[in-house]
Amino acid sequence: AQSVTQLDSQVPVFEEAPVELRCNYSSSVSVYLFWYVQYPNQGLQLLLKYLSGSTLVKGINGFEAEFNKSQTSFHLRKPSVHISDTAEYFCAVSEGTGRRALTFGSGTRLQVQP
Amino acid sequence: GAGVSQSPRYKVAKRGQDVALRCDPISGHVSLFWYQQALGQGPEFLTYFQNEAQLDKSGLPSDRFFAERPEGSVSTLKIQRTQQEDSTVYLCASSPQRAGLVRNYGYTFGSGTRLTVV
Repeated sequence: AQSVTQLDSQVPVFEEAPVELRCNYSSSVSVYLFWYVQYPNQGLQLLLKYLSGSTLVKGINGFEAEFNKSQTSFHLRKPSVHISDTAEYFCAVSEGTGRRALTFGSGTRLQVQP
Repeated sequence: GAGVSQSPRYKVAKRGQDVALRCDPISGHVSLFWYQQALGQGPEFLTYFQNEAQLDKSGLPSDRFFAERPEGSVSTLKIQRTQQEDSTVYLCASSPQRAGLVRNYGYTFGSGTRLTVV
């Protein structure tokens, strides 16, 4: 069975500083990986996804993530954050076969401070 | 519409009452998912529809939970004899592709219905 671990429940960071949100997964088969962002009282919005090919994936709002198969990780990064990036971020995995749905991590609250 | 619409936005039910939560997916979207999201947690899968067919209901927590999508568009999640542990946010998501290709396109999520059972 697949699972996702987001090690940090909260990440405080100052505006314009770099940030990394960590995500590790476990699965016995090939996986597809996603990062979603959830702003208060809004639905989840797709930031980026890894399906195959280049392990460095670029998404919206200046975010990028790197798939590391040996480390079973898919960490999310941004070189310079803005106040508007304050939100909840969810890592999710979908296995290459079988179950159709996404399995989500418990989320990381990014709090950008001025 | 432009996005996935869920109604009501908030629902308060007395314990034992039946409730129905509605999801209006983006027009033409083939796949529709229901998730529940507890406070401080990521969404957890409940059930999946491809058009009107319910292909996976493995995440439904009990036989009090029932979902339907009779015409392959609007979906309703029904909870019978609600209990306090049913209090959470219920999310709906849709995709233009069938399940095998959903990963290529991702999902569009609604804003959810927050159910409170008192």
